[in-house]
Amino acid sequence: DGGITQSPKYLFRKEGQNVTLSCEQNLNHDAMYWYRQDPGQGLRLIYYSQIVNDFQKGDIAEGYSVSREKKESFPLTVTSAQKNPTAFYLCASRSGTMNQPQHFGDGTRLSIL
Amino acid sequence: QQPVQSPQAVILREGEDAVINCSSSKALYSVHWYRQKHGEAPIFLMILLKGGEQKGHDKISASFNEKKQQSSLYLTASQLSYSGTYFCGTVLLQAAGNKLTFGGGTRVLVKP
Repeated sequence: DGGITQSPKYLFRKEGQNVTLSCEQNLNHDAMYWYRQDPGQGLRLIYYSQIVNDFQKGDIAEGYSVSREKKESFPLTVTSAQKNPTAFYLCASRSGTMNQPQHFGDGTRLSIL
Repeated sequence: QQPVQSPQAVILREGEDAVINCSSSKALYSVHWYRQKHGEAPIFLMILLKGGEQKGHDKISASFNEKKQQSSLYLTASQLSYSGTYFCGTVLLQAAGNKLTFGGGTRVLVKP
């Protein structure tokens, strides 16, 4: 079945450590997105990519980095510069234009040890 | 600019109706609606592309008032399965970069 796979489901980070969240899609979608969701809050855009080897900062990019070396993959690294990384992270993808819906993965819950 | 959703929360009895509003301070190109159950991924409901457009999905429908820069989601004859948090996402008319900006969400609880 086609879809978006995020891994791991739960992740723990030690102080000063970088961690990478995986996002893979087999929907052949061009655009991919990373969102952060804090408890009881909406989704905030971290980074997005519309084509391979290109990506743009979203509203809260500080302390995060991404790469888009393959169409199917859009990993997110939470660096030690991100002082409050505890949150639910959602990856999404979309085909075509903004007239199309975004499809979401099941998310990764990141916590600080 | 994040759209503003109202109300923040609503409690319904099964079979009752509710309206959720999504307002923007800037002109909109489109409005997307999603529902999210606790700890799960948001699920797409519908997209409204033109001013005045109304769409429906089962007994959930939505309208888009271009002039007021607002969209409303209507939950009619609510079912227990309608419980969750509803988010609107907006694309600005003068948007650069094809990004969706989500509102803070409206929590809906449908009781038997």
